[in-house]
Amino acid sequence: QVQLVESGGGVVQPGTSLRLSCAASGFTFSNYGMHWVRQAPGKGLDWVAVISSDGSNKFYVDSVKGRFTISRDNSKNTLYLQMSSLRVDDTAVYFCTKDGSSGWYGGSDNWGQGTLVTVSS
Amino acid sequence: IQMTQSPSSLSASLGDRVTITCRASQGMGNFLAWYQQRPGKVPKFLIHAASTLQSGVPSRFSGSGSGTDFTLTISSLQPEDVATYYCQRYNSAPLTFGGGTKVEIK
Repeated sequence: QVQLVESGGGVVQPGTSLRLSCAASGFTFSNYGMHWVRQAPGKGLDWVAVISSDGSNKFYVDSVKGRFTISRDNSKNTLYLQMSSLRVDDTAVYFCTKDGSSGWYGGSDNWGQGTLVTVSS
Repeated sequence: IQMTQSPSSLSASLGDRVTITCRASQGMGNFLAWYQQRPGKVPKFLIHAASTLQSGVPSRFSGSGSGTDFTLTISSLQPEDVATYYCQRYNSAPLTFGGGTKVEIK
């Protein structure tokens, strides 16, 4: 079965960087688009970024453009989110999700358990 | 592009028919998904392409709509349906979620 396991979360100070990872198994990783979605404590879902199956297309929500970079290593079945210039309002649980297509036109059909990022001074 | 869900919360009795609305600020064909997030749990994919149920989702759930107006209907509310429901557009970035609708039992 599909498994997505996020790691790399923690408590960091504003302005610093953090890299999240998502280890995927149970499906052919290189065939599917992948997303990062976040959820601030007690708030709704907030889509962050998507990367196509071959890594050639990437899109971001405006609030993270220029600060976050999504990438993937298909040889390692791993998705990444490099976050820099972190702000207090980036505090959230970050979910890795699998798209139902090779891009972003299938919906997030599988979700990891999430990793908590807390940005605080 | 905004995705506006209504109501933001509702309380209904067991067996009631429940309808949640999602409105897009621009037309988007049928590139709409619905998710269920039970308290303390990870979101679950319910419906894609506005009306296609994911495998394993109970048939009391249904989706409809296209363009700018979409609905999620629960035909007979069950205790396990207590959750927050989110719509999401996915025709193009940003793949915006609606604000969510919290469903409770009266």
